[in-house]
Amino acid sequence: AQSVTQLDSQVPVFEEAPVELRCNYSSSVSVYLFWYVQYPNQGLQLLLKYLSGSTLVKGINGFEAEFNKSQTSFHLRKPSVHISDTAEYFCAVSESNYQLIWGAGTKLIIKP
Amino acid sequence: GAVVSQHPSRVICKSGTSVKIECRSLDFQATTMFWYRQFPKKSLMLMATSNEGSKATYEQGVEKDKFLINHASLTLSTLTVTSAHPEDSSFYICSARAPASYEQYFGPGTRLTVT
Repeated sequence: AQSVTQLDSQVPVFEEAPVELRCNYSSSVSVYLFWYVQYPNQGLQLLLKYLSGSTLVKGINGFEAEFNKSQTSFHLRKPSVHISDTAEYFCAVSESNYQLIWGAGTKLIIKP
Repeated sequence: GAVVSQHPSRVICKSGTSVKIECRSLDFQATTMFWYRQFPKKSLMLMATSNEGSKATYEQGVEKDKFLINHASLTLSTLTVTSAHPEDSSFYICSARAPASYEQYFGPGTRLTVT
């Protein structure tokens, strides 16, 4: 992948509302796609991944993402957010060399 | 799931001293380990990729003599920050990859503060 773009640096949303965090990538080859979450002062935890098969991927904590090859997107969604979802979310893409290309991250801010 | 540990979680050192950070894969053998640096409110910056038994591959702009990486076994990689300076203060994160897997498992990170 040449680059990964997370269009929103911050996304504020009210508790129990739905949320979508956007991720687009550029690549001329097949890629593998990941979303990671980072809580304050912690390492990264894998939310979900797309390697092959169904383009709709379900992950932990009620998150899901859809791989859209034609739009080179892998947007993350959750139908109803909770205050505990407050964190930084990173989209990452891997090609055949196993290295991850990272997006800049999106800070999800949950408003009570 | 696969677990990766890092030690220490926090370290404060004086300028000019060296600090070693350990990264261990606890329940799997890691073909490759990666070292990242994360600046405040920024994404992860890959510093280097290390394969067990061979020299690490450093990313452009990362000083290999300053950030020494050793991957002596399939479960342990170490990052030594030599002659640390305040600008080396950062959050350092390691990850490990199992054979034939595209997924990286991350350690909890090490907060380094150089005074």
